[in-house]
Amino acid sequence: QVQLQESGPGLVKPSETLSLTCTVSAYSISSDYYWGWIRQSPGRGLEWIGNVYHSGSTYYNPSLQSRVTISVDTSNNQFSLKLTSVTAADTAVYYCARTGSFGSGGFDYWGQGALVTVSS
Amino acid sequence: QSALTQPASVSGSPGQSITISCTGTSSDVGGYNYVSWYQQHPGKAPKVMIYDVSNRPSGVSDRFSGSKSGNTASLTISGLQAEDEADYYCGSYRSGSALVFGGGTKLTVL
Repeated sequence: QVQLQESGPGLVKPSETLSLTCTVSAYSISSDYYWGWIRQSPGRGLEWIGNVYHSGSTYYNPSLQSRVTISVDTSNNQFSLKLTSVTAADTAVYYCARTGSFGSGGFDYWGQGALVTVSS
Repeated sequence: QSALTQPASVSGSPGQSITISCTGTSSDVGGYNYVSWYQQHPGKAPKVMIYDVSNRPSGVSDRFSGSKSGNTASLTISGLQAEDEADYYCGSYRSGSALVFGGGTKLTVL
């Protein structure tokens, strides 16, 4: 069974950089899938942040593109999210998930989510 | 990036059928057969219920079905059960190599 687990600081100060890592188990990240980040602000809906392919190709939400970097570490079977210049509006539960060929198949495996609070 | 449009809430009685709509544009829902639906219970991660408009993953009840007409996709749940009470989100590929979700629909089983 494919498993994903988010890890990283639960508290980030305004203007600093949010960093999260997703560790994938029981499946090689180098195989043919895309790996994505999705967030959900308290009481709000889902927001796609971006996807990465094992080759390193990335695709970002245009509204976040200037602040987001997603990278992949195939040797550790992980992929990571960096979001710069955070504000309170970036407070959310951040999920990592797997999806098939871009857009197809939906996100079929998800991590449990990591709550990140932006506050001084 | 504007979200897809879903009704804020729907409700139905046990045994009934309900339909949740998801309206986009020709750049997303209407232009590609890459619409998915997710069920989310409180405090849990979303779970894919339908992918590529009308395909059901293994293990998902056949009471769940999906369809699309023009720029609007729909999720139908038949034989409503108490356990179906949850939030439901649609998602779609959008031209320009992007993905977009709907605002979510709260399903209440009366």
